[in-house]
Amino acid sequence: AQKVTQAQTEISVVEKEDVTLDCVYETRDTTYYLFWYKQPPSGELVFLIRRNSFDEQNEISGRYSWNFQKSTSSFNFTITASQVVDSAVYFCALSEAGQAGTALIFGKGTTLSVSS
Amino acid sequence: SQTIHQWPATLVQPVGSPLSLECTVEGTSNPNLYWYRQAAGRGLQLLFYSVGIGQISSEVPQNLSASRPQDRQFILSSKKLLLSDSGFYLCAWSRGSSGANVLTFGAGSRLTVL
Repeated sequence: AQKVTQAQTEISVVEKEDVTLDCVYETRDTTYYLFWYKQPPSGELVFLIRRNSFDEQNEISGRYSWNFQKSTSSFNFTITASQVVDSAVYFCALSEAGQAGTALIFGKGTTLSVSS
Repeated sequence: SQTIHQWPATLVQPVGSPLSLECTVEGTSNPNLYWYRQAAGRGLQLLFYSVGIGQISSEVPQNLSASRPQDRQFILSSKKLLLSDSGFYLCAWSRGSSGANVLTFGAGSRLTVL
């Protein structure tokens, strides 16, 4: 069965600190996709990144970086030098190949609070 | 470019009253459409998805129903709301039918049932 676990419910940091949001997933498929979404206080979910199961290269986009490790079934998200605008709920999600969004399973989210 | 509209943004309804939330997508054709619910302190739960007009799949049996009367219109309804229907409802769309497709979400509708 598919499952996404975000064990950190809430994280609080001070501006300029680095922070890592953990995501552990379970799936029986060999082909699958992992996503991160950001939900700012306004409520709308914003897509951040998609990774397929065959690409374990880490990715960096500005202050954001993602570490995908199939050996530990993890897809962690790091924000470097955090800013107040990073305060949001972050969701990790999993979907299996060949299926529509029915298979997009979300974790329960991690609420990140960045104070100045 | 594609845009997704969802309304109303906020709704306060008494228990037992009906519900209608609307979602429309512009700038694309034959999108896959989804309704998710986010209850307080919980993740996103998929309620319904649709791959075409009149085609609705329900993921969780409950007090809600969905319809897709037009290609780019998706409606979430209830005949009689329950307290447990309170939550944040998000409509989303994607292209195609692959798990690789990114979901784009609307701004959400916050429903409070009193």
